[in-house]
Amino acid sequence: GQNIDQPTEMTATEGAIVQINCTYQTSGFNGLFWYQQHAGEAPTFLSYNVLDGLEEKGRFSSFLSRSKGYSYLLLKELQMKDSASYLCAVMDSNYQLIWGAGTKLIIKP
Amino acid sequence: GAVVSQHPSWVICKSGTSVKIECRSLDFQATTMFWYRQFPKQSLMLMATSNEGSKATYEQGVEKDKFLINHASLTLSTLTVTSAHPEDSSFYICSARNRDVEAFFGQGTRLTVV
Repeated sequence: GQNIDQPTEMTATEGAIVQINCTYQTSGFNGLFWYQQHAGEAPTFLSYNVLDGLEEKGRFSSFLSRSKGYSYLLLKELQMKDSASYLCAVMDSNYQLIWGAGTKLIIKP
Repeated sequence: GAVVSQHPSWVICKSGTSVKIECRSLDFQATTMFWYRQFPKQSLMLMATSNEGSKATYEQGVEKDKFLINHASLTLSTLTVTSAHPEDSSFYICSARNRDVEAFFGQGTRLTVV
């Protein structure tokens, strides 16, 4: 079966760095997405990785290792507004998005 | 990024009535549109996938006669919840994919059936 695993909840301090991990097992791979979702709102796109390595975009970076079925989202200089759920999703061989359950990130002052 | 507009943002309807939700890609042609449902504190659940001009492909357990999907053009897809019941109350989200396989989400529609 297809499976995406990510921690249920994480807590971090304002100004710090946090890494949210995602491991996956899917039928085929056509890229991995990270989305941010605030409570009651639709997800917003953060990043897309299809090749191994690190993609940096401002305070957010995303890493992919296809051989290990592993990705992480790195958030630097955390701000209170970063409190949200972070969803990892993999596009399988049929170009369907397989979703993780999301990681709720709590930022404390 | 590309813009996907979903309307309405929220709707309250009486049990037994039907509700139509629209999803429009405003600045790109969406080859594929997806409809998701999300219960509180849960992840997105794919309901169906639709390609312009063809019938939608429904996920297992989703009633196609209850959740009617029409993808009439490359910029518009609609989801109609027919004969809605309180258990259909949920957050419905559409997403549209462009040729570069990126998926952009609408704002979501919160449906409450009373």
